[in-house]
Amino acid sequence: GAGVSQTPSNKVTEKGKYVELRCDPISGHTALYWYRQSLGQGPEFLIYFQGTGAADDSGLPNDRFFAVRPEGSVSTLKIQRTERGDSAVYLCASSLGGGPGETQYFGPGTRLLVL
Amino acid sequence: AQSVSQHNHHVILSEAASLELGCNYSYGGTVNLFWYVQYPGQHLQLLLKYFSGDPLVKGIKGFEAEFIKSKFSFNLRKPSVQWSDTAEYFCAVIANTNAGKSTFGDGTTLTVKP
Repeated sequence: GAGVSQTPSNKVTEKGKYVELRCDPISGHTALYWYRQSLGQGPEFLIYFQGTGAADDSGLPNDRFFAVRPEGSVSTLKIQRTERGDSAVYLCASSLGGGPGETQYFGPGTRLLVL
Repeated sequence: AQSVSQHNHHVILSEAASLELGCNYSYGGTVNLFWYVQYPGQHLQLLLKYFSGDPLVKGIKGFEAEFIKSKFSFNLRKPSVQWSDTAEYFCAVIANTNAGKSTFGDGTTLTVKP
C-alpha cells in the first residue's frame, strides 16, 4: 500500500517568506508526527497529532512554526518569516495509534532551503 | 528530559565482520526503544523496537538489540555485516509518559567495504 508522502520534495525560498509543507499519512493512521533534521543530526521532534488535535507541540521552536490537521488526515506545517536557520529536512511520520510503543512510518521528507 | 547518545559517528567494517553500535539514553522512567535505518537515497525505516518483555529483540535483516536497563543501553548488533548494510543508523527513545515524542540520537554512519 501507499506509504507516507510529503510535498514538495524540495523547497527553496527567500528569507522572510512564508512556506507550507504537506504530509499525507498512511490511510487509517490516527497519529501524525513532524520532525526536523539538520545536517549531521538525528530527527528532532516538532509536534504530534492524535486525530485532529495537537497532542504535543512542545518541539515547535517558536511561534513562527504552526501545524494543522483539520480533518485528521493530511497535515500542513506552516513556517512564517522564514530564516536561514530553518533550512533542514522536514520529516513526517504516521502511526496506527498514538501509543509510545507504536511503529512510526516515515515519509521521504521535504528539503527546505532558505536563502 | 530524555536524551540519546550514540557513541560512534562513523564505523567502517569489512564484509563478514561483526557489528555493534552503541546507544545510551537518559531517562529515569519506563521507555520504549527503537533502532531506525536510512539506506542511501531512502527514507527512515524501523529495524527493531523494544517496548516490553524479552530484552533481547530481533529485527529485520539479521539485526538484534539488547535492552540493559541498569546501563540505560540499547546496543545494536549483527554477527556478520554485508555491503548492503551500508547506511545510517539512528537510535530513538520514547518515554511512556511522553507518548509520540521520539528523541533521536545523532546517528551512526556505517560503511561496509566489499
